[in-house]
Amino acid sequence: NAGVTQTPKFQVLKTGQSMTLQCAQDMNHEYMSWYRQDPGMGLRLIHYSVGAGITDQGEVPNGYNVSRSTTEDFPLRLLSAAPSQTSVYFCASSYSGRDDTQYFGPGTRLTVL
Amino acid sequence: AQSVTQPDIHITVSEGASLELRCNYSYGATPYLFWYVQSPGQGLQLLLKYFSGDTLVQGIKGFEAEFKRSQSSFNLRKPSVHWSDAAEYFCAVGGGSNYKLTFGKGTLLTVNP
Repeated sequence: NAGVTQTPKFQVLKTGQSMTLQCAQDMNHEYMSWYRQDPGMGLRLIHYSVGAGITDQGEVPNGYNVSRSTTEDFPLRLLSAAPSQTSVYFCASSYSGRDDTQYFGPGTRLTVL
Repeated sequence: AQSVTQPDIHITVSEGASLELRCNYSYGATPYLFWYVQSPGQGLQLLLKYFSGDTLVQGIKGFEAEFKRSQSSFNLRKPSVHWSDAAEYFCAVGGGSNYKLTFGKGTLLTVNP
């Protein structure tokens, strides 16, 4: 098993550009989520999904879109990048989401100029 | 709303000394509690978790944590720290019907030789 994979590892964008951060898992997990990590802020939940076709907002959803067409994939879209979105993004997955261990990907470091 | 407080931003200990990292949580029902560790440039790895039962939980790498409901705490301990334990440690609470995992802001551990 590859676990949770994320691409790219690093990305630099200009303000106003759009991009998609990819996340995939091969553990047949139903629950997937996106977090952003900023210095001194810990991890904050952006969006999550409890299964294919079902997504919901987390703590900091503004400026991000998600969709979940398959169990394996959960891409995060930045529609119009802003410097405030400079962060490290982590994808995570778990079997049930509520009381199960979340497995984290290696992260994507995004810089918006 | 659920929340997690890690009072110590940075802790320095000598190798071989004991360690205790503090975590206080706020949650309306029985919490599901987690400790994760993040090495520099890496994703998060689960150290241990508490769902129910014995309030003293054993984890990987010689770590343990004790759930104290009366104090709303879930402190992480290790009797003898190794240089390889230097990392950032995050406490998290989850288990609500909203499927959210809320993280503390983290405690950075430095280990002196």
